[in-house]
Amino acid sequence: DQQVKQNSPSLSVQEGRISILNCDYTNSMFDYFLWYKKYPAEGPTFLISISSIKDKNEDGRFTVFLNKSAKHLSLHIVPSQPGDSAVYFCAAIHPNTDKLIFGTGTRLQVFP
Amino acid sequence: DVKVTQSSRYLVKRTGEKVFLECVQDMDHENMFWYRQDPGLGLRLIYFSYDVKMKEKGDIPEGYSVSREKKERFSLILESASTNQTSMYLCASSYRDTRSQKLFFGSGTQLSVL
Repeated sequence: DQQVKQNSPSLSVQEGRISILNCDYTNSMFDYFLWYKKYPAEGPTFLISISSIKDKNEDGRFTVFLNKSAKHLSLHIVPSQPGDSAVYFCAAIHPNTDKLIFGTGTRLQVFP
Repeated sequence: DVKVTQSSRYLVKRTGEKVFLECVQDMDHENMFWYRQDPGLGLRLIYFSYDVKMKEKGDIPEGYSVSREKKERFSLILESASTNQTSMYLCASSYRDTRSQKLFFGSGTQLSVL
């Protein structure tokens, strides 16, 4: 059973516009969330994280929003750049196991 | 610069073969992990280790084993490879502070089992 879901397998956005990647989770015990970015032929790299005690965290062009009541988080990229084209994974941590549970990924393509 | 090195980028093996995937990190990280990535399934945790000679099963450990004899090295073993183990395998490491769990990943090994 997929506890962390990314329902959009792909997203296409024009350069300069906003990219919004969504992630839903089922377990209300998750208390820490992360986003990773993966380029082809490379391992994923950490992008941004958020604790469940916050509802927003910002780092440059990247902002993550957390809505605990809806069990939903989103990653906003503003403005989008062609170099942002990659697969994005959201992930959640369960406090009892400390294991990282990944979503299925969303492929973002930013076109000129 | 942090580095997680996986010994092979591509491997082709036959059904029934014993397969070793090696991973080395140079960051003195306590934690090491093995994931597999499959289309539509994301990254799934196979095994992990929080210390030398220590191992814990992840979500999909069946058909795999691991070895961690030294802190910097974590090996994934397919005892008898099967076609459903064809996948991208990713090794990762992190510091003991598991609350942040900022994993550093290797570039991956694409394994094909024929």
